[in-house]
Amino acid sequence: ETGVTQSPTHLIKTRGQQVTLRCSSQSGHNTVSWYQQALGQGPQFIFQYYREEENGRGNFPPRFSGLQFPNYSSELNVNALELDDSALYLCASSAGPNYEQYFGPGTRLTVT
Amino acid sequence: GESVGLHLPTLSVQEGDNSIINCAYSNSASDYFIWYKQESGKGPQFIIDIRSNMDKRQGQRVTVLLNKTVKHLSLQIAATQPGDSAVYFCAENPEPNTGNQFYFGTGTSLTVIP
Repeated sequence: ETGVTQSPTHLIKTRGQQVTLRCSSQSGHNTVSWYQQALGQGPQFIFQYYREEENGRGNFPPRFSGLQFPNYSSELNVNALELDDSALYLCASSAGPNYEQYFGPGTRLTVT
Repeated sequence: GESVGLHLPTLSVQEGDNSIINCAYSNSASDYFIWYKQESGKGPQFIIDIRSNMDKRQGQRVTVLLNKTVKHLSLQIAATQPGDSAVYFCAENPEPNTGNQFYFGTGTSLTVIP
């Protein structure tokens, strides 16, 4: 176990709704990265938070947003859900940028 | 955009044999690479990493080789066990100065035959 936890485990939403996913980083880690993993694909980088600031973003639209809190836990928010947003959402924590990342178990989001 | 690809999408090996999983990367500026193992229904599990100032790194039953000349990465698993069956990803950090932004390949599915 990595010590990285995510909630909820599974979620079903309707197209157009909004969703918030949560991640608790491993103790001692100040960096959280979020990834989207479609079925049969590798994880795709969404964005990273380092010391409560966004520290890089992948090719995702602005309706994907995030937060990092003083305890380094993090949220991923997705507005105006689309069917293609159905995926496994993974967060990974690390001791800092450019350190090895440790992943949580993921949140399976289904958009109907 | 960045490209991280794997030569073989599936690999089957006999229990006890050695496994080799290959990965090509496209950005010669990438300086940090990680191999992950992902079992069904779980998040990726860190296996081993390597930085570009090295060409080989060994862990417990695993070895990663980095050939910067041809931009190739490989993961060797010694004495493969049924518990090694999973999808293996190589991940590349193509922007070493802007944070931990890793790009993953599609993955290789390893099946160990008892």
